[in-house]
Amino acid sequence: DAMVIQNPRYQVTQFGKPVTLSCSQTLNHNVMYWYQQKSSQAPKLLFHYYDKDFNNEADTPDNFQSRRPNTSFCFLDIRSPGLGDAAMYLCATSRDTRLAGAYEQYFGPGTRLTVT
Amino acid sequence: TQLLEQSPQFLSIQEGENLTVYCNSSSVFSSLQWYRQEPGEGPVLLVTVVTGGEVKKLKRLTFQFGDARKDSSLHITAAQPGDTGLYLCAGAEQGGSEKLVFGKGTKLTVNP
Repeated sequence: DAMVIQNPRYQVTQFGKPVTLSCSQTLNHNVMYWYQQKSSQAPKLLFHYYDKDFNNEADTPDNFQSRRPNTSFCFLDIRSPGLGDAAMYLCATSRDTRLAGAYEQYFGPGTRLTVT
Repeated sequence: TQLLEQSPQFLSIQEGENLTVYCNSSSVFSSLQWYRQEPGEGPVLLVTVVTGGEVKKLKRLTFQFGDARKDSSLHITAAQPGDTGLYLCAGAEQGGSEKLVFGKGTKLTVNP
């Protein structure tokens, strides 16, 4: 089945120690997103890629970076995690909105990040 | 900035009861999606509504898009414990932006 995969599902890192979360998709969607979600709140968009074009949200801290080496993979790098970065990180994909009749995002299962 | 107000924020009901969740905005959306998210998992798309006044049904769930495409509702009939989760509405901004505007969610608990 076509899907969005996130690894690992649970990640523990130390305060200030760089960490990378990964996302892959078999949907062949050209748009990929990274969201941060804290306890029972709405997902907060950090940034997204439209093909190779990177789009950063204005309020996303510089501590968060992303890479998309090809269509299928996208990475979230947190350069110096703080205690406040502990959250669920969600990856999502969507098709080109110029082609899609309606706009939909498909989410992965998320990575729960703990900072100690 | 477009905003989606979702209500109620929390809802706890008994199995078999009916409920309605609302999603409202002063802005027009080109489409609106409803997602359900279970603890520890990512949101799962339930439905997309596109046309003003559109009604879609998914088993015991009924979704409606307002005539002016500014609001939507989700009605669940005879709720079951398996319906428990965080329900999120999300709207696609006019003009075809690839970003969604999310409501803050409704946390539903259905007690057996």
